[in-house]
Amino acid sequence: DAKTTQPPSMDCAEGRAANLPCNHSTISGNEYVYWYRQIHSQGPQYIIHGLKNNETNEMASLIITEDRKSSTLILPHATLRDTAVYYCIVRVDNAGNMLTFGGGTRLMVKP
Amino acid sequence: GAGVSQSPSNKVTEKGKDVELRCDPISGHTALYWYRQSLGQGLEFLIYFQGNSAPDKSGLPSDRFSAERTGGSVSTLTIQRTQQEDSAVYLCASSLAYPRYEQYFGPGTRLTVT
Repeated sequence: DAKTTQPPSMDCAEGRAANLPCNHSTISGNEYVYWYRQIHSQGPQYIIHGLKNNETNEMASLIITEDRKSSTLILPHATLRDTAVYYCIVRVDNAGNMLTFGGGTRLMVKP
Repeated sequence: GAGVSQSPSNKVTEKGKDVELRCDPISGHTALYWYRQSLGQGLEFLIYFQGNSAPDKSGLPSDRFSAERTGGSVSTLTIQRTQQEDSAVYLCASSLAYPRYEQYFGPGTRLTVT
């Protein structure tokens, strides 16, 4: 799986959009960009994933650059409960592919 | 709907004892994974089950660790002769096998070996 680089920490004001960047310059054509998060003392939670088109679901939006070397996870209206470590993962999308988390970005949403 | 459940949520055991950790995956998910996470660390893959295929045991750290999945649903992770370095949160995840592969995690079992 391609390596990803994320800032170690970010702050965001409650109610504002949180934009979390991820660099994956060595991504290959068949690798997807996945985002998970882990709230303190809980198991990881799937957020969203995409290949090359931008994606949106009830939790977040994923913007992938045209060259696919970077992406941004957007939480449109961050709440205090969104405080967590956010992991960007690049992986081939198939069964049996275990997850490997890097350092992630610790997002602190502040009132 | 119901998510992945794990039991117990916490387990304290003495060094040398055996422990069993249970995972109930999401109904209809044929893929099941066990991971562990030490304090402040990332995920460490342990074992993967897919349907009736032979499990991928490549992540098990020693032969004291074993897991089984009965009837393609519930899974049990067994650690024999526990050691202090086995202390961690043990996480179970399940996913569909096709066409969506995102993994859904349980709350974990916090194992403390004294």
